[in-house]
Amino acid sequence: SQKIEQNSEALNIQEGKTATLTCNYTNYSPAYLQWYRQDPGRGPVFLLLIRENEKEKRKERLKVTFDTTLKQSLFHITASQPADSATYLCASNTGFQKLVFGTGTRLLVSP
Amino acid sequence: NAGVTQTPKFQVLKTGQSMTLQCAQDMNHNSMYWYRQDPGMGLRLIYYSASEGTTDKGEVPNGYNVSRLNKREFSLRLESAAPSQTSVYFCASSEVLVGVNTGELFFGEGSRLTVL
Repeated sequence: SQKIEQNSEALNIQEGKTATLTCNYTNYSPAYLQWYRQDPGRGPVFLLLIRENEKEKRKERLKVTFDTTLKQSLFHITASQPADSATYLCASNTGFQKLVFGTGTRLLVSP
Repeated sequence: NAGVTQTPKFQVLKTGQSMTLQCAQDMNHNSMYWYRQDPGMGLRLIYYSASEGTTDKGEVPNGYNVSRLNKREFSLRLESAAPSQTSVYFCASSEVLVGVNTGELFFGEGSRLTVL
């Protein structure tokens, strides 16, 4: 079955370091991947989209990569700040023309 | 600019009761969605409406009904609530149907439903 998976364990890092979150997919080839940020008690907010023919996308301190060989997307936050603490969700289209979400990875940035 | 507005924000129901979650968007988007979010399960699509006048089932439609009242509004109804429907419900909208097209989802703040 088609799956999109994120590490369910929280990622704890020190302020100023680069946070790297992983999204893996199996049994399908998405045309694109999206990343969302979700704060506690709030709805997800769109951050970035990367298409299958793009290796890398950047937006300010955010960088997303898409490796179709490894079937993986990496989401990087450089110079991380405590305000970056949140849950980050990846999503992709599937062969059934739907958008499916991973379970999210919680990021905690300590001062 | 309110974006996507959901009501109510919190609701407690007894098993067997019915209720409707309301959603409205002011971005003139064509497509609207209802998701539920449960711990460890991620966001799962319940129903969606590609455009005004159409609705389709998502991944977990059982126990729910929807109505696309007009371009702005998309409601989710629980006819006979069950404890398994305890969840956080999110309404979302997009300019075009995501999955088929690239495009971002705009989410509401969520409705937290508890069924006793």
